[in-house]
Amino acid sequence: DGGITQSPKYLFRKEGQNVTLSCEQNLNHDAMYWYRQDPGQGLRLIYYSQIVNDFQKGDIAEGYSVSREKKESFPLTVTSAQKNPTAFYLCASSILGGDAGANVLTFGAGSRLTVL
Amino acid sequence: SQKIEQNSEALNIQEGKTATLTCNYTNYSPAYLQWYRQDPGRGPVFLLLIRENEKEKRKERLKVTFDTTLKQSLFHITASQPADSATYLCASGSARQLTFGSGTQLTVLP
Repeated sequence: DGGITQSPKYLFRKEGQNVTLSCEQNLNHDAMYWYRQDPGQGLRLIYYSQIVNDFQKGDIAEGYSVSREKKESFPLTVTSAQKNPTAFYLCASSILGGDAGANVLTFGAGSRLTVL
Repeated sequence: SQKIEQNSEALNIQEGKTATLTCNYTNYSPAYLQWYRQDPGRGPVFLLLIRENEKEKRKERLKVTFDTTLKQSLFHITASQPADSATYLCASGSARQLTFGSGTQLTVLP
């Protein structure tokens, strides 16, 4: 079945450590996204990528880094520079230009990061 | 800056009634609005998209309206069931990225 796989589902990190969240899709989608979700808040865009080897900062990119070496993969690194990294992280993908420009996103199941 | 807002209060309704959720936008005119459903600990799932030139869209028990005068979209679930209990998110944006509201948590009581 086509979809998006995020791993790990749960991750604990000590302060000062970098962690990498994995996101893989087999939908053949061009665009991929990382969102952060905090309780009572909407999804906030961290980074997005429309093609391989290219990505753009979203609204809250500070303290995060990404790479897009393959179409299927868009890993997110939460660095020690991120002041408040405890959150639920969601990866998504979409067709570019589908439905006359309306991005319909397919999401993964999410990764919950807790900093101890 | 453009904003998309949902009533952050939780909504409780009795099974069989119609649930109505509201999404308001300010400082821009979106070409479309989308609605997603999110269950606890899961990623959102796309439900419906409505364009600015469409007044209403339906899918089974779901109905979405788009009022560009009021700058508002309404999301209705008719004949609601306890399985409809979830958080519902509205979203809008450009071809590059979507902006999401904070969601409305719906609980359908048996």
